[in-house]
Amino acid sequence: KQEVTQIPAALSVPEGENLVLNCSFTDSAIYNLQWFRQDPGKGLTSLLLIQSSQREQTSGRLNASLDKSSGRSTLYIAASQPGDSATYLCAVNDDYKLSFGAGTTVTVRA
Amino acid sequence: DAGITQSPRHKVTETGTPVTLRCHQTENHRYMYWYRQDPGHGLRLIHYSYGVKDTDKGEVSDGYSVSRSKTEDFLLTLESATSSQTSVYFCAISESRQTANEKLFFGSGTQLSVL
Repeated sequence: KQEVTQIPAALSVPEGENLVLNCSFTDSAIYNLQWFRQDPGKGLTSLLLIQSSQREQTSGRLNASLDKSSGRSTLYIAASQPGDSATYLCAVNDDYKLSFGAGTTVTVRA
Repeated sequence: DAGITQSPRHKVTETGTPVTLRCHQTENHRYMYWYRQDPGHGLRLIHYSYGVKDTDKGEVSDGYSVSRSKTEDFLLTLESATSSQTSVYFCAISESRQTANEKLFFGSGTQLSVL
């Protein structure tokens, strides 16, 4: 059974600092890994999807890397802003269904 | 945003009563999913559907049933609600099976409280 872990559970940084969010998973036989953003009381929004054959994916200030062999992914958010405050979840697709981590709640202080 | 509507948005019910949550999509996507989200657990899959009348169990399906009579609607039923089913329920859709580059789109969720 795939286990997905995100550490830390919460993170607080001053505005302008770069964010580094970690995700680890136990079974490296995955189709893809997705990073989601969740705002309070809202659903999840897909940020980036990295296919198993890719090492990284970029969108604007966001960059996600994937190291399948070590079971790790990292989401980098450059020059953080207060609007980046949210919970970030990673999810791995290894059997046509997603297994989610519990998320990292990020607070960016103005 | 993907056209996914969950109803109701909030529901308070008593232990032992039946509850039905509805997910409606306007994207004509084949796959629909029900997840529950609890503190410290992330999202866990309850049931999913891969077509009209075609459904399968997820990792936490006990106490839940689903039905899909139309492409656009996926219903989740708690036959006899228990306090352990207090949670936030999310519906999600995808166009095809979760292959290498298939994204999942989520509804806004239903907050269910069982007293």
